[in-house]
Amino acid sequence: VQLVESGGGLVQPGGSLRLSCAASGFTFSSYWMTWVRQAPGKGLEWVANINQDGSDKYYVDSVKGRFTISRDNAKNLLYLQMNSLRVEDTAVYYCARDIVPDPWGQGTLVTVSS
Amino acid sequence: QSVVTQSPSASGTPGQRVPISCSGSSSNIGSNYVYWYQQLPGTAPKLLIHRDDQRPSGVPDRFSGSKSGTSASLAISGLRPEDEADYYCAAWDDSLNGPIFGTGTKVTVL
Repeated sequence: VQLVESGGGLVQPGGSLRLSCAASGFTFSSYWMTWVRQAPGKGLEWVANINQDGSDKYYVDSVKGRFTISRDNAKNLLYLQMNSLRVEDTAVYYCARDIVPDPWGQGTLVTVSS
Repeated sequence: QSVVTQSPSASGTPGQRVPISCSGSSSNIGSNYVYWYQQLPGTAPKLLIHRDDQRPSGVPDRFSGSKSGTSASLAISGLRPEDEADYYCAAWDDSLNGPIFGTGTKVTVL
């Protein structure tokens, strides 16, 4: 099982980024997928999850209306579209398999700063 | 808003037993399985315990989990230097529709 995130970087407050997670080594379309973030020096925070066919999506309150989770089962890709980014969204973003996250990718750093 | 609390730090000398506690509520630990993750410095979290007390294959039996009511605990027996890491408990939260993570415990090997 391998999960590889990409798309992180430096963005100004109010800007947008789209994170991707490439999955391999398992039947991607059979699993819920999850995004979790970790602010620098802080703990883990669940961000969003999505069911197998993309019809059910859930978000932590702090990102509702700003972030959108989606997936492309034909390409084994998970996405997180992040709009209206805030300084407090600065974190390493991990994708993980299943609703109880396991395993995790190596993470991608998102820095929101002017 | 749901909160799952852990003691910020724990320590021991090599060979000692170190307990780590995790306190939640009826919407998470009290009604769902508890999971424990180990995060070594600079790496992604790794699942250590699932379904309250089950070890995935490859996890040493020095790690054990238990749960009672709305609290859970992880014990590290025969502490080793390579166990120095951050440990997080987690449980599905019925009000979040997602997992809630504990505040994390930093384990130091003296």
